[in-house]
Amino acid sequence: QSALTQPASVSGSPGQSITISCDGTSSDVGNYNLVSWYQQYPGKAPKIIIYEVSKRPSGVSNRFSGSKSGNTASLTISGLQAEDEGDYYCCSYEGSISFYVFGTGTKVTV
Amino acid sequence: EVQLVESGGGLVQSGGSLRLSCTASGFTLSAYWMTWVRQAPGKGLEWVASIKEDGSETYYVGSVKGRFTISRDNAKNSLYLQMNSLRAEDTAVYYCARGATAPPDYWGQGTLVTVSS
Repeated sequence: QSALTQPASVSGSPGQSITISCDGTSSDVGNYNLVSWYQQYPGKAPKIIIYEVSKRPSGVSNRFSGSKSGNTASLTISGLQAEDEGDYYCCSYEGSISFYVFGTGTKVTV
Repeated sequence: EVQLVESGGGLVQSGGSLRLSCTASGFTLSAYWMTWVRQAPGKGLEWVASIKEDGSETYYVGSVKGRFTISRDNAKNSLYLQMNSLRAEDTAVYYCARGATAPPDYWGQGTLVTVSS
């Protein structure tokens, strides 16, 4: 299975909004509302921040929002803060393997 | 509080074997699919293997099929990954994570496996 495609890096100033894209295919992102997003700090485990395209787990800031259009999912971080610096990975259910595939990862710089 | 603690990583020569363990607490292990995910140094996340709640089904990424075996002992609240015929490209931090039919929601802190050639 192939990884989902994300931009290698995205940057923004404090207070701005940024959007990270996650390009998949009709076998994954395009055919299932099962896209999730993870935040990872250096040396730490990933933390889920969005699941089922746009749902936030309890305790996750509402500055994080998710959406999907066709074969592309997106994560938007609004009101960018220094603590948002880190790596972000999308993840989608992949029908041909019946499990999940990860994106290539995006480094966010504030 | 849900906790997953991995152990068993280390330095091993190419062709060697290692067995990773993951001890779960704060939830009923037998109620969840479990997954191993790895991350090579400076690289992204890669799904390695998953196992059904009762151990009756297992799935592997193509690159580890025939070399790695995922197993579990629900009575001991433990998940395992037996890794044989290790290669340099298996060098990574290995994470134990809860879930597989849904995206993993809780992850351990990981254990580093280094395969020297």
